[in-house]
Amino acid sequence: SQQGEEDPQALSIQEGENATMNCSYKTSINNLQWYRQNSGRGLVHLILIRSNEREKHSGRLRVTLDTSKKSSSLLITASRAADTASYFCATDEGAQKLVFGQGTRLTINP
Amino acid sequence: DSGVTQTPKHLITATGQRVTLRCSPRSGDLSVYWYQQSLDQGLQFLIQYYNGEERAKGNILERFSAQQFPDLHSELNLSSLELGDSALYFCASSAADSYNEQFFGPGTRLTVL
Repeated sequence: SQQGEEDPQALSIQEGENATMNCSYKTSINNLQWYRQNSGRGLVHLILIRSNEREKHSGRLRVTLDTSKKSSSLLITASRAADTASYFCATDEGAQKLVFGQGTRLTINP
Repeated sequence: DSGVTQTPKHLITATGQRVTLRCSPRSGDLSVYWYQQSLDQGLQFLIQYYNGEERAKGNILERFSAQQFPDLHSELNLSSLELGDSALYFCASSAADSYNEQFFGPGTRLTVL
């Protein structure tokens, strides 16, 4: 079952611009995580936000969580070519497992 | 480098065959997770082991099985392979349960011909 749904499915921006990706989910959660995946490689954990947190920062990343709307957003500021990747949100669906969305494919154009 | 290792990197086999994928978690991590990633299904959770015991089950087919050994490495066995089993198989590990961040291995790309 898909819990997180990312939007947009694909995003192409110019280097230096900000990129915003959104994630919606269906059931209550304990936390929400964002991961990055470079083409064909393993996922890399970016940030975890707990259900009682509303915003979290890590370097150029800013994540917000709105539990009333069951949504989260990931903002990457001052994008770089190296940020080109797919970004996934993942929510805990109880039962000790993470459920990933389909991902947003981000392309940073030089 | 996440500290999670997976072997082999690539595997090409024929329909009906059986293969074993291996995963070594990060040092000290007790939980191991297996995921399947395909173009049409996305990233699907298969199964989790915690300190040798099955902890959670996802969309794992009956033809697939897994185990975690006393040294905490894990193996995913795929049998009676079908063309649709072609995918990237990832292993991830975490210190405890999925409430914590998971560290992913580089994956095994399985091609069934």
